[in-house]
Amino acid sequence: DIQMTQSPSSLSASVGDRVTITCRASQSISYFLNWYQQKPGKAPKLLIYGESSLQSGVPSRFRGSGSGTDFTLTISSLQPEDFATYYCQQSYSAPRTFGQGTKLDIK
Amino acid sequence: EVQLVESGGVVIQPRGSLRLSCTASGFTFEDYMMHWVRQAPGKGLEWVSLISWDGDTTYYADSVKGRFTISRDNTKNSLYLQMNSLRSDDTALYYCARGGRSGGNDYWGQGTLVTVSS
Repeated sequence: DIQMTQSPSSLSASVGDRVTITCRASQSISYFLNWYQQKPGKAPKLLIYGESSLQSGVPSRFRGSGSGTDFTLTISSLQPEDFATYYCQQSYSAPRTFGQGTKLDIK
Repeated sequence: EVQLVESGGVVIQPRGSLRLSCTASGFTFEDYMMHWVRQAPGKGLEWVSLISWDGDTTYYADSVKGRFTISRDNTKNSLYLQMNSLRSDDTALYYCARGGRSGGNDYWGQGTLVTVSS
């Protein structure tokens, strides 16, 4: 099974900051990497699929990059609604493993 | 509008069995792969299972393999998860999610809570 490791596990930042979350796969997954945002009490929301494609309706301040085993999610200018937990997931093979999550909160 | 509505979550004793359902609307159900994903209280997301559009191909997480069975009825726009030999570590909110053509899960239900406790 492919293991997904996110870092950091938690992150404090301010509105307007640029933040980066990383995700590493235990083996190459090509570009089959997705990012989700989850707010408390809500279902996850797909932000980015295929490593860098923005899901419809997601603001352009979210950007995904990387390939192979190393990926990043960058939020260019944090907005108040961006404080949430973020998960990466590989869709290269089953089981479709998730990272452990990165909780982004307000500094 | 795409909607996924899960049901069937209850409080159940260890070693019990339970079937979860997910009813889909707003899209052509038979065109899409479907998934179950769970989240234990205060924990992260754990992928559980997927089923192909026609039901012929299924995959499971190691943690549920041999105990859970995913199925679907395209005539009823419904997805199911049969859960047997339940354990306390199966306690979680269970989401059904559509497998988008991109590979990501593009629509999710609100979840149904399964609590395994004596």
